[in-house]
Amino acid sequence: GDSVTQMEGPVTLSEEAFLTINCTYTATGYPSLFWYVQYPGEGLQLLLKATKADDKGSNKGFEATYRKETTSFHLEKGSVQVSDSAVYFCALSGPSGGYNKLIFGAGTRLAVHP
Amino acid sequence: GAVVSQHPSRVICKSGTSVKIECRSLDFQATTMFWYRQFPKQSLMLMATSNEGSKATYEQGVEKDKFLINHASLTLSTLTVTSAHPEDSSFYICSARDWDTGGSAKNIQYFGAGTRLSVL
Repeated sequence: GDSVTQMEGPVTLSEEAFLTINCTYTATGYPSLFWYVQYPGEGLQLLLKATKADDKGSNKGFEATYRKETTSFHLEKGSVQVSDSAVYFCALSGPSGGYNKLIFGAGTRLAVHP
Repeated sequence: GAVVSQHPSRVICKSGTSVKIECRSLDFQATTMFWYRQFPKQSLMLMATSNEGSKATYEQGVEKDKFLINHASLTLSTLTVTSAHPEDSSFYICSARDWDTGGSAKNIQYFGAGTRLSVL
């Protein structure tokens, strides 16, 4: 079945460092891909998404490119801030689930220090 | 963006009692809501899809008599954990789908803050 694998955390960075959180997926057909972020004590928020190959999703300085050849959707940010500390979830919705269901990775905790 | 409110945020109960968790879409109507369960350091696992005015669709392995779902209105879905036991202790998260028939841009799930259930 469809699945999402993302790098284990925690990821600890200093402010203004470059961030990469790896995400790869297994799915039939052409899934839509998402990154969600969960700040402490809050619900998951959609950070960005891409619905077809080579699409780049971007928001708040974060970017991720849908790479079908490597089945990846890595999250990047050029300069992280302390306020980016949160848990990041990679997810997909695919044709096998009627594009209704979200399948999540395990989440990666990011801690940014001043 | 759309807001989903989930209540309570934390509940502690005795084994054998039932617990109800509410999920409300505050500024949009949600014909479809989803209930997830999250174990420590693990993924969110979809438990069931809740459709307004009809029976919920449960994922394989989820006991529908154990986890009762009611979606009586376009803004409210409830999950009742019946006769809770310590193994039901977990983090439960709901989401509501905002659906725009004019395009896929609004086919996005908005999540509540979650409910941490501890069964003693």
